[in-house]
Formats: sequence, C-alpha cells, structure tokens
Amino acid sequence: DVKVTQSSRYLVKRTGEKVFLECVQDMDHENMFWYRQDPGLGLRLIYFSYDVKMKEKGDIPEGYSVSREKKERFSLILESASTNQTSMYLCASSSPLGREGGDTQYFGPGTRLTVL
Amino acid sequence: AQKVTQAQTEISVVEKEDVTLDCVYETRDTTYYLFWYKQPPSGELVFLIRRNSFDEQNEISGRYSWNFQKSTSSFNFTITASQVVDSAVYFCALSEATGSNYKLTFGKGTLLTVNP
Repeated sequence: DVKVTQSSRYLVKRTGEKVFLECVQDMDHENMFWYRQDPGLGLRLIYFSYDVKMKEKGDIPEGYSVSREKKERFSLILESASTNQTSMYLCASSSPLGREGGDTQYFGPGTRLTVL
Repeated sequence: AQKVTQAQTEISVVEKEDVTLDCVYETRDTTYYLFWYKQPPSGELVFLIRRNSFDEQNEISGRYSWNFQKSTSSFNFTITASQVVDSAVYFCALSEATGSNYKLTFGKGTLLTVNP
C-alpha cells in the first residue's frame, strides 16, 4: 500500500516564524504535491514537483516555497508565517502520467497548522 | 480552465437510506480522468475510484456505485444502504494535463452526515 506521512498532525506557530512541513512517501513516486484545505474553498494546490530538485507553482504559491532534495521527501516552507496561513495542509504523491494509474494521487493524514 | 462543481454542500440522511452525491465537470480535454475521494473526520483523503473519459460503464463496488455520463458531463456517486461510517466529506476531482504531466482540479466537497 502507498504510504504518505507528514511530520506533524497539529502545529502551532507564531506570526513571523519560519515553518517547515515535511512529507515523506515510500512508494518511489516521482510526483509530489502540497495543498491547503479551507472551509468552503476545498483543496487548493500550492506547489508540486515532478522530480528531484524540480518544482512548479500551483494556484496559490504566494507566501510559500518548497524543497525536494530527495525523491521521497517534499518540504513546504512558510518563510514568515502569517495568520492567514492557518489551515489544513495536505501532501500527496503519485506515479507519473503514462504509468498505469499514474495520475491517482495518494494523500497523507494532513497537518493542521495554527498561526497565532 | 477546468472546473468541478459539487452543488450539494451538505447532505444529511438516516442510516440505510440511499444517497447520491452529484459531480459536474467542465474540460476541453478529450482524454481525462475523474476521481472520487473520501475524507473522514480523521482528515486523510482516501482514494475511492478513478475513471477515464473513454469508459462510460457504470462501476459498482459493494455499496458504492458510480454513474459516468459524458453527455451531461457528470460523474455521480451513490451509496446504497448508507451507514454511520459513511459520514465524511466527499470530493470529486478531474485530472488536467499540464505539459508532460498532470494535476487535479477538485470540487469543493460534499459533507455527508449519516444519522443512526
């Protein structure tokens, strides 16, 4: 079974802090994604990566950056956390397009981040 | 731009009732994939089904069934004889090709509450 893990289920940070959210997958997937989920807005894509050291902006990249130094790990960075970044953050991974089932994303348990 | 609409924000039923969750999509792609995910209160999105645009056969898996109708751009999900454990937020999603890969566009989700 695909397993995607996230470093924390709950996190509380202060405004201005630098925040790291870590995601690890154990299925050798090339693709990894970061979303945030807010009530009434559904899931919105922040950043994604199709390979090590590669990244692409999603729909709402402002205020975030990412790092992918190893295939299995994809980090989301909040350079200077703000209260409007309080949200549920979800990581996902998938095989590349062209491989059977390649566009199916598998999700981690989520990190609920509160910025005070 | 692709769009997924889940018009039902919340649905409440009594156990053993059948319930249908609606999903309508918009895309200009001729090849695309549709998905349903379940998000129980624990927060993790669980993959339920993936369907490609060339396969309009209905799918049944236990109490779950899916009706894909290309003519109306709909991919509806029915739970037969609902149970309390079916209470969750359900998301419909559409894959979108971007360059040599893809990303998912999600609907805003439908909160299903099954009361005993």
